[in-house]
Amino acid sequence: ETGVTQSPTHLIKTRGQQVTLRCSSQSGHNTVSWYQQALGQGPQFIFQYYREEENGRGNFPPRFSGLQFPNYSSELNVNALELDDSALYLCASSLLGEGTDTQYFGPGTRLTVL
Amino acid sequence: AQKITQTQPGMFVQEKEAVTLDCTYDTSDQSYGLFWYKQPSSGEMIFLIYQGSYDEQNATEGRYSLNFQKARKSANLVISASQLGDSAMYFCAMFKGNFGNEKLTFGTGTRLTIIP
Repeated sequence: ETGVTQSPTHLIKTRGQQVTLRCSSQSGHNTVSWYQQALGQGPQFIFQYYREEENGRGNFPPRFSGLQFPNYSSELNVNALELDDSALYLCASSLLGEGTDTQYFGPGTRLTVL
Repeated sequence: AQKITQTQPGMFVQEKEAVTLDCTYDTSDQSYGLFWYKQPSSGEMIFLIYQGSYDEQNATEGRYSLNFQKARKSANLVISASQLGDSAMYFCAMFKGNFGNEKLTFGTGTRLTIIP
């Protein structure tokens, strides 16, 4: 196990609603990245947080937003949910500046939008 | 922009045989890194192995080795003595720069099935 946890495990929402996903990083890690993995595809980078600041963003609209807290845990918020937002959402934690800075992933949150 | 190509959507391999999963990449950067991750049906991405662009030796981690051919821009994963528990999706991913915590670009994955 990586020590990265995510909640909830599964979530069902309807179109237009808002959702918050949570991630607790591995102990000692200061960076959290979020990825969206649609069915049958590889993960796509959403954004990254380092020391509570956004540190890079992929090609996702502003209705995808995030936060990182002083304990380095993180939230992903998605407003105005669309059907295409149905996916597995993965967070990964890492420690900037240490060796290869390998990103360790959590088990994911599976979001279904109806 | 970086791009990862995995040309094998699915593979079936007999237990205890070795298997090679293909990965080619495209980047204009000199400094980059390559990862392989395993994703069981549970969904978690499990780190397997890492290769830096400046590493002269191929990376190895237990039964996993990475066949890194920089001039051909390929980074194939070799699993020796396959086991039933190796059945999963396998993703090749890369980042540019010096730090592995940068944005990762993933391929579309290969579904590996080990046959008893």
